[in-house]
Amino acid sequence: KAGVTQTPRYLIKTRGQQVTLSCSPISGHRSVSWYQQTPGQGLQFLFEYFSETQRNKGNFPGRFSGRQFSNSRSEMNVSTLELGDSALYLCASSFGDGGGETQYFGPGTRLLVL
Amino acid sequence: GDSVTQMEGPVTLSEEAFLTINCTYTATGYPSLFWYVQYPGEGLQLLLKATKADDKGSNKGFEATYRKETTSFHLEKGSVQVSDSAVYFCALTVYSSASKIIFGSGTRLSIRP
Repeated sequence: KAGVTQTPRYLIKTRGQQVTLSCSPISGHRSVSWYQQTPGQGLQFLFEYFSETQRNKGNFPGRFSGRQFSNSRSEMNVSTLELGDSALYLCASSFGDGGGETQYFGPGTRLLVL
Repeated sequence: GDSVTQMEGPVTLSEEAFLTINCTYTATGYPSLFWYVQYPGEGLQLLLKATKADDKGSNKGFEATYRKETTSFHLEKGSVQVSDSAVYFCALTVYSSASKIIFGSGTRLSIRP
């Protein structure tokens, strides 16, 4: 069974640009969550999509947005990039049943903003 | 709010030493508790989990017991190996927003041969 895949793996952008990251969940999983990992703030929840709808949202500005397609693949977009957006962006997938279920993480996309 | 506090690192041990990484939590309701591991250059892998009080999660020689009375979920391993060198994250989810994982700050573990 293929794991969670994320593309691209590495990305370099400049301030003010926008970026789109992609996540393909494990087959059969309907929930995709996104996390930002930085040395200073650690791992922080961005948002979760389930059946093409945003179900949960973290405390990030509106520059961070996402969507999910009918095949459960998800994209995350960051507009007007800032230096502080440099981070490892991880996505995780699960069936979405809640209650302590296991979430499976992808390898991440490392974004560097210059 | 819900939160996880774990032992500051880095932790450096010799091979075959006993490992404990402390983790305590604050949560409304009854959280599920997790330990994740991140090897260099990789994403997160679930190491073990426990979904109710007194449950013991175990995997690859690692163990942690869900202690409701002390709100703790300490990670232990009796004999560590060089291959255990990684960053370990304690985490929780609460039922009302079960997809949102709240992570601790992580503990970097280095094992000397």
